[in-house]
Amino acid sequence: GNSVTQMEGPVTLSEEAFLTINCTYTATGYPSLFWYVQYPGEGLQLLLKATKADDKGSNKGFEATYRKETTSFHLEKGSVQVSDSAVYFCALSDGETSGSRLTFGEGTQLTVNP
Amino acid sequence: GAGVSQTPSNKVTEKGKYVELRCDPISGHTALYWYRQSLGQGPEFLIYFQGTGAADDSGLPNDRFFAVRPEGSVSTLKIQRTERGDSAVYLCASGHGGVVTGELFFGEGSRLTVL
Repeated sequence: GNSVTQMEGPVTLSEEAFLTINCTYTATGYPSLFWYVQYPGEGLQLLLKATKADDKGSNKGFEATYRKETTSFHLEKGSVQVSDSAVYFCALSDGETSGSRLTFGEGTQLTVNP
Repeated sequence: GAGVSQTPSNKVTEKGKYVELRCDPISGHTALYWYRQSLGQGPEFLIYFQGTGAADDSGLPNDRFFAVRPEGSVSTLKIQRTERGDSAVYLCASGHGGVVTGELFFGEGSRLTVL
């Protein structure tokens, strides 16, 4: 079956530090890949996505590249801000079952200190 | 607002009781999903509706869990004979369905606590 593995958290960084959150996946076929973010007190929201190999998703300074050869979709940001403190979830949609059912990783808690 | 609305936001109940959780999706979204999120875990799929019908209910843990969407809009997740292990945040999401794009819009969730 499909699965997503994220680096264990929590992650604590100082403002303006470089961020990497690792994500690897197992899936049949050609999944679409996503990063969702959950800010304190809010619902999950889509941060970025990539639908095929070598695509790069980007939003709000975050980037992730779909690497089929390493089955990875690592999230990066060059300079984090206090407002980026949240829980980040990597997810995939296998695109082969009815609907766009998402399989999520366990989430990585990020805290950015001023 | 125009987002996914879930009620109640918090529900505390006793073991053995019946619970209903409601989801009001974004207008026009034909696909509706229920997920369950336990503390420190990612959301786990429960059931998917396309229109009024349950297209995939393979994530429902057992027959105590049931969900309906009678008019293709609002959905209700029903849990019978609740157990302490049912305590979690129940998330609802809606989208345009179909494959590939996969963007879902989530509500803030209903936190269920079974004492």
